[in-house]
Amino acid sequence: KAGVTQTPRYLIKTRGQQVTLSCSPISGHRSVSWYQQTPGQGLQFLFEYFSETQRNKGNFPGRFSGRQFSNSRSEMNVSTLELGDSALYLCASSLSSGGADTQYFGPGTRLTVL
Amino acid sequence: GNSVTQMEGPVTLSEEAFLTINCTYTATGYPSLFWYVQYPGEGLQLLLKATKADDKGSNKGFEATYRKETTSFHLEKGSVQVSDSAVYFCALNSGVTGANNLFFGTGTRLTVIP
Repeated sequence: KAGVTQTPRYLIKTRGQQVTLSCSPISGHRSVSWYQQTPGQGLQFLFEYFSETQRNKGNFPGRFSGRQFSNSRSEMNVSTLELGDSALYLCASSLSSGGADTQYFGPGTRLTVL
Repeated sequence: GNSVTQMEGPVTLSEEAFLTINCTYTATGYPSLFWYVQYPGEGLQLLLKATKADDKGSNKGFEATYRKETTSFHLEKGSVQVSDSAVYFCALNSGVTGANNLFFGTGTRLTVIP
């Protein structure tokens, strides 16, 4: 079974631009979560989608948004990029939205904002 | 609230040495506990998990026991190898349906020297 895939793997943008990242979950998984990883803040939860609905959201500004499609694929969007948005963005999928389910992570998208 | 406190690194060990990485948690309800490993340039890989008190998770020689009385989930391995060099993250999921997000520790970088 194929794992979680994320595209693109690397992105370079400039301040003020917007960016869209994509995540394809493991086949059969309906929950997709997004995390931001930075050296200073570590791993922080952005949001979770299940059956095309946002179920849970972390403490990030409204510039960070996402969506999920009927095939469970998910995208996240960051508008008006800031230097501090430079990070590794990780997507994880799980079978359901239950807390005991294991989340499986993709390789991440490395975003650099100049 | 939910939080994870993890042993600060970095940790440097000689091959075949014994490894312990401490992890304690604060949580409401009945969390599930996880150890993830991150190799350079990659996403997170699940190493092991435990979903209830006194459960022992194990994989590839690594073990961790869910101790509710001490709110701990320490990672151990009897004999480390050079290939174990990576960053290790302790994490918890609150176990509440609809709140499917992981809380991570700060990560512990392990370097194993031959």
